[in-house]
Amino acid sequence: EAQVTQNPRYLITVTGKKLTVTCSQNMNHEYMSWYRQDPGLGLRQIYYSMNVEVTDKGDVPEGYKVSRKEKRNFPLILESPSPNQTSLYFCASSLSGRITYEQYFGPGTRLTVT
Amino acid sequence: GDSVTQMEGPVTLSEEAFLTINCTYTATGYPSLFWYVQYPGEGLQLLLKATKADDKGSNKGFEATYRKETTSFHLEKGSVQVSDSAVYFCALSDGFTGGGNKLTFGTGTQLKVEL
Repeated sequence: EAQVTQNPRYLITVTGKKLTVTCSQNMNHEYMSWYRQDPGLGLRQIYYSMNVEVTDKGDVPEGYKVSRKEKRNFPLILESPSPNQTSLYFCASSLSGRITYEQYFGPGTRLTVT
Repeated sequence: GDSVTQMEGPVTLSEEAFLTINCTYTATGYPSLFWYVQYPGEGLQLLLKATKADDKGSNKGFEATYRKETTSFHLEKGSVQVSDSAVYFCALSDGFTGGGNKLTFGTGTQLKVEL
């Protein structure tokens, strides 16, 4: 089954404790990205990757890191989480970075930072 | 920069009622327009899309027409069902403002359909 998977689905952590949210897709997609969803703000892009080894900042990259060593994986790293990073996170992928291609979303990771 | 404005919810309808969720946008160039749906506890799924002016996207009884003159992409369905209860997001992608295939989303409209 074609899908985007994320782990963990739920995470509660404390300020400053490094964490990684994994994202993996099995569709051989070139393009991957991370969004955060906050009430009243919709989804906003954090980072994106056009292909392996090529990543760039989205609209809200502060406090996040990413890496794209393999085509299928695109982990999101929070080196020192803070309470304002409490949010619902979605990973997405598409065949290409061209605007007409459908994006496929993972099920989401709900992160709480206390 | 790009922006998407959609009607605030929640919207509560009776089953078989007509649905309209308004969406207007501001964008550079000629964006592609999308409606995504998010069912409780799940990720977003593409519902329909339109890539150029006057295109009509349709899926599962939902329709939306790309209106360049009014910069709108309103979502409609003639007869809603309880199973349509979800949050609906209007989004655009213009390819000019960076982010590759970045989607700019509206804030979402929650729809609740009752028997």
